[in-house]
Amino acid sequence: DGGITQSPKYLFRKEGQNVTLSCEQNLNHDAMYWYRQDPGQGLRLIYYSQIVNDFQKGDIAEGYSVSREKKESFPLTVTSAQKNPTAFYLCASNWQGGTEAFFGQGTRLTVV
Amino acid sequence: SQELEQSPQSLIVQEGKNLTINCTSSKTLYGLYWYKQKYGEGLIFLMMLQKGGEEKSHEKITAKLDEKKQQSSLHITASQPSHAGIYLCGADHKYNQGGKLIFGQGTELSVKP
Repeated sequence: DGGITQSPKYLFRKEGQNVTLSCEQNLNHDAMYWYRQDPGQGLRLIYYSQIVNDFQKGDIAEGYSVSREKKESFPLTVTSAQKNPTAFYLCASNWQGGTEAFFGQGTRLTVV
Repeated sequence: SQELEQSPQSLIVQEGKNLTINCTSSKTLYGLYWYKQKYGEGLIFLMMLQKGGEEKSHEKITAKLDEKKQQSSLHITASQPSHAGIYLCGADHKYNQGGKLIFGQGTELSVKP
């Protein structure tokens, strides 16, 4: 079945540690996105990539990094520079242009 | 203030009742997307509207984009417990950026049996 897979579903890390969230899609989509969701704030765009080996910052990129070495993969690293990393992270993908994005099931990151 | 305002923030309705959720943008909309989310899960695409005055329906859910393209409404007829969840609108302000959206805060819908 085609889809977009995020792993793990829950992640716990100690403050000061970097952590990488996985996102894989087998929909052959060109573009991939990372969003962060906090209670009462909707979703905010962290990074996006429209083609392999290229990516752009979204609205809240500080403290995050990404890579796009393969079309189907777009991992997100939450670095120790991110001041408030505890959140629900959602990955999405779509064909380029004005088509709807497909979302993964999310990763809930808790930093203690 | 938010670029995209949703109202109400939460809604509790009796099963069988109709309801409307509004989404208002401070900028011209090139596309408006409606998604549904179960708590702690991913977003499920419902509908996309692009043309002023456009109206789309899926089962008992109807979405409209007003003529001036700065407001959309989502209407549910004869609500059911399966309609419960968080409804999110997402705005495409730069034409054909379907994945790069500005989202509203969401409307949490509860349906009482």
